[in-house]
Amino acid sequence: DTGVSQDPRHKITKRGQNVTFRCDPISEHNRLYWYRQTLGQGPEFLTYFQNEAQLEKSRLLSDRFSAERPKGSFSTLEIQRTEQGDSAMYLCASSLVTGTGSNQPQHFGDGTRLSIL
Amino acid sequence: AQSVTQPDIHITVSEGASLELRCNYSYGATPYLFWYVQSPGQGLQLLLKYFSGDTLVQGIKGFEAEFKRSQSSFNLRKPSVHWSDAAEYFCAVAAMEYGNKLVFGAGTILRVKS
Repeated sequence: DTGVSQDPRHKITKRGQNVTFRCDPISEHNRLYWYRQTLGQGPEFLTYFQNEAQLEKSRLLSDRFSAERPKGSFSTLEIQRTEQGDSAMYLCASSLVTGTGSNQPQHFGDGTRLSIL
Repeated sequence: AQSVTQPDIHITVSEGASLELRCNYSYGATPYLFWYVQSPGQGLQLLLKYFSGDTLVQGIKGFEAEFKRSQSSFNLRKPSVHWSDAAEYFCAVAAMEYGNKLVFGAGTILRVKS
C-alpha cells in the first residue's frame, strides 16, 4: 500500500493561467474523490469518480474546472483561467466500494497547495 | 442533506490531561461517521470510523469515539494527551445514498501545553 500520491505538492501561478494537478490513488481503489480546503475550513467536496465514470460534480465546480480519470486509475484536475479565489489546498482521496455499495474509509493524499499571484 | 458542527474552534489542554472534542451531525438516518487528523501542510489521516454496531469505536493513537444517536453526536476522546497530538481534527459524515462523499465540520485546532 503506497498510499494516495498527489503532484505537485505546491503550485504558484499568476492569475489567468491554467493549472493541472494529478492524483494517483491506492491501486485497488475504484472510487476517487476531489476536495478543496481553504484556510480555516474543512475540506469541501468537488467531484468523484467510480472507475472512469464521473458520478457527481459539486456546484462549487464551475465551468473553469474539469476533472478526468481516463483509465480508471490516476485522475487530473484542471483549472482554467485561474482566479484569486482558487487559492486553496486541493485534496484527493480514494476508497474501495464493493458490489453492495458498502462504505470503506477514504484515504487522503497530502494535497496540492495552489497559490494565485 | 448532511451537515457537521464542531463547536470548538480551538482547544488547549495540558500534556497528560484528558481530551474530548465535540461533533454533532445532521442526517435523517444513521450515517457513516469519521474522525480525521491533519498536521500543517499535510493531508488527512483517518483516526477512526463508525459504520454500525458497537457505538464505542477505538482508533489509532489511543483515540476513541462514541456514537450517540439520541444526541446526534460523535465525540472524540483520549484519556491522556501527548504533545504530538497537537494538530487539527475534523469530524465527517457520509452516506451511501450521497455517494459516500464526506461532509466535514470546520475543524478543531488542538494545542498541547507542556
